[in-house]
This record gives sequence, structure tokens and C-alpha cells, in this order.
Amino acid sequence: EAGVTQSPTHLIKTRGQQATLRCSPISGHTSVYWYQQALGLGLQFLLWYDEGEERNRGNFPPRFSGRQFPNYSSELNVNALELEDSALYLCASSSKGEPTETQYFGPGTRLLVL
Amino acid sequence: TQLLEQSPQFLSIQEGENLTVYCNSSSVFSSLQWYRQEPGEGPVLLVTVVTGGEVKKLKRLTFQFGDARKDSSLHITAAQTGDTGLYLCAGDRRASGSRLTFGEGTQLTVNP
Repeated sequence: EAGVTQSPTHLIKTRGQQATLRCSPISGHTSVYWYQQALGLGLQFLLWYDEGEERNRGNFPPRFSGRQFPNYSSELNVNALELEDSALYLCASSSKGEPTETQYFGPGTRLLVL
Repeated sequence: TQLLEQSPQFLSIQEGENLTVYCNSSSVFSSLQWYRQEPGEGPVLLVTVVTGGEVKKLKRLTFQFGDARKDSSLHITAAQTGDTGLYLCAGDRRASGSRLTFGEGTQLTVNP
């Protein structure tokens, strides 16, 4: 069974540009989560999508947005990039069918803003 | 204030030593997960603990969930260089908007 996939693996942008990151969940998983992880630090929750709807968002400005498609894949968009947006962006998926909330992570997209 | 406090934040030991990392909270969790993350990769699930007082073993790793389901520990016996990584605990509070709440992690380095 394929795991969570993310693309691209690396992304280099300049300040003010926009970045689009993509995630495909494990087959059968309907929930997708996005996290930001700055170098050496813990995971900061960004967004949670389930069944195509945004369920919750973390403490991030509105220039961080996203969507979930009918096939449950997801996009994270970051507008007006700032230097401090440089980080590893992780996507995770989960299934409502499991007895406990377990999130399975993709390898991440490393975003560098110059 | 971090909901899940992990300690120590950094740990550097020699191969063959034992170690314990802790994950503490004042909140009750319905389950708690431990993940290990290697540089440049996503976290990989190690174990899920559900029942208060539960102990799970995964080879040289022993995970314990506190009786009150507020804290957990991870003990590694005879650490190996391959154990190096960031260890994250994550708690499931069903009422939480993000489903899982992550600790800041313990960065473990095992030196040869």
C-alpha cells in the first residue's frame, strides 16, 4: 500500500512569491493535515481537511490556505512568501475507520525562501 | 504554554547506554502516539498506547502510558547509532480541533 506522498520534495522561492505544495493521502484516508516544521523544532499545526472541508486551522496568517479535492488529495498555498516561511512542510493523513487517531506522514516538502 | 511537554529537549549519549525520554501533560488523552523522525524525512509512527498503565515493547524500545493517561515515557535499552533522531509524542484529545497535539520533541544523538 502506498504511503502519503508529497510534491515537490524541494522548492526554492523568493520573498513575495507564492508557493503551492501538494499531498496525496493513503488510499481510503479522508483526513489530511498540514504541519510546518522549522529547522530542529517541533510540528506546528497548520490546517486540517476532512471530506473536502476545512475543519480547523492553526495560528497562522490567512496567506496560508489550502483545499482538499474530491479524491482527498490536498494543496497548501502560501502567498506573499516571507523568509521565515522557510521550513519543512509535512502532510499527514488519517482514517476515521481506525479506533485511535493515528496520523501517517509524508516525507515533506522543504521550502526555502530567499 | 505547550500542552505536551517533552524532556529532555536534547540528549547525546554513547552507543550501548540506556535512556528515557518523557512526555507530560496536565490533560487526559484518549490515546498517545510516539513517532521518530530522521533529518529531512517525515515522522514515522512507532507505537500507539491507549490504556492507562499500558506498557508496549518494540525490540529495545519500551513505551509506557501513565495510569491517568496524562503522561508517557519511552525507554531505550542499549542504544544504537540507528536510534538517532527526533522523538515526538502526540496526544489525541477528541475535543481538540487538530485531533493530535504534538510535543516539541526530544533530539537524540547516539554516538559510536
